[in-house]
Amino acid sequence: GENVEQHPSTLSVQEGDSAVIKCTYSDSASNYFPWYKQELGKGPQLIIDIRSNVGEKKDQRIAVTLNKTAKHFSLHITETQPEDSAVYFCAASIEGDMRFGAGTRLTVKP
Amino acid sequence: KAGVTQTPRYLIKTRGQQVTLSCSPISGHRSVSWYQQTPGQGLQFLFEYFSETQRNKGNFPGRFSGRQFSNSRSEMNVSTLELGDSALYLCASSMTGWAEETQYFGPGTRLLVL
Repeated sequence: GENVEQHPSTLSVQEGDSAVIKCTYSDSASNYFPWYKQELGKGPQLIIDIRSNVGEKKDQRIAVTLNKTAKHFSLHITETQPEDSAVYFCAASIEGDMRFGAGTRLTVKP
Repeated sequence: KAGVTQTPRYLIKTRGQQVTLSCSPISGHRSVSWYQQTPGQGLQFLFEYFSETQRNKGNFPGRFSGRQFSNSRSEMNVSTLELGDSALYLCASSMTGWAEETQYFGPGTRLLVL
């Protein structure tokens, strides 16, 4: 089945800096790649997603890139703010079966 | 539009007992997926229901089961609870559950097994 690896497991940045989280997947049939943000005591919330026919997508300070050949995708957060502090999960989906990365705990220091 | 709701939010059980968790999807969503989240194993897929039928299943023992009703609400049941079943159980809904569709998560039910 699909295997998703996510790095780094923890990331600490200064407010205003950029943060990059990377994921790799194993099954080339995966065609949907969402990113979720999970705050303490809450369920994961979708922040951005990308489909396999697109290489890059941007939404304000958040962007995601996908390299299907290398089977990896990345989340980029620019101008980080303290409220960006949370755990971020990447995922890869095949036919509705979604597999998640282990998560990255992002801390943005004011 | 109301989001995904899960009840109860917190639950304490003892080993050997059984538990039933409930999930109400976003109105109009017909696919409901269940996940187990633990610090050690992360988010793991349990199963997915669509139109009252289990369509996908993860790698969990038969003690974990679920069902979906005609109004798309879903329940999951864990029988003969073990300490290792302590986790946050999340459900997520989507329109049809197909590969490229966004899933929306509920807040989860935190289960503690003593």
